[in-house]
Amino acid sequence: QVQLLQSGAEVKKPGSSVKVSCRPSGDSFSKYNINWVRQAPGQGLEWMGGIIPLYRTANYAQKFQGRATITADESTSTVYMEVGRLRSEDTAVYYCARGNLLCNGGTCDSVHYFENWGQGTLVTVSS
Amino acid sequence: EIVLTQSPATLSLSPGERVSLSCGASQSVGRSLAWYQQRPGLAPRLLIYDTSIRATGIPDRFSGSGSGADFTLTINRLEPEDFAVYYCQHYDIKPPYNFGQGTRVEI
Repeated sequence: QVQLLQSGAEVKKPGSSVKVSCRPSGDSFSKYNINWVRQAPGQGLEWMGGIIPLYRTANYAQKFQGRATITADESTSTVYMEVGRLRSEDTAVYYCARGNLLCNGGTCDSVHYFENWGQGTLVTVSS
Repeated sequence: EIVLTQSPATLSLSPGERVSLSCGASQSVGRSLAWYQQRPGLAPRLLIYDTSIRATGIPDRFSGSGSGADFTLTINRLEPEDFAVYYCQHYDIKPPYNFGQGTRVEI
């Protein structure tokens, strides 16, 4: 069973940035899509964006374009998400989640349902 | 982007009952629909993917059905541990891979 280990809780001031990390266990780090999903207190799940480390290019929900940056470091098998210009509404638990690969005849495509999740990182934005 | 609408927002039920949760998409997602369960304080847990395939270790009292834009999660014989919040999510070709707003199943 793949485990995703996230960095610890953060308390940040409005206007600052936060960088959260996610390190999946096991092999094949580069091939699987890693996504970030956040959950504000008492609210639902919100997909923020994701990356396939092999391709290095991230996709973002429009709401987070220009304010969130997802990167992958293959040397440490770690995915990062940085959110800038923090405001109180960004207070949430941030989860990383790994998607899957659908392989057929030697060709594999990424699929974005999430069987493996990190433990969550609470980010609190408060003055 | 595709919007998912779940209904109802809350269901009050008793252990042993059968429940059906609905998820409607603003446009067709084919069969690219997943269901998750979330208990308080825990990360979501994948129950169903590709509309009807149970994830590893998920008991067979959970089943999914539908296609296109209308989907249903059915739980037969509710167990105490099934009282939780349930989310649907699409993963059709293009992002964003949105979630529905959730249905709370409470005792």
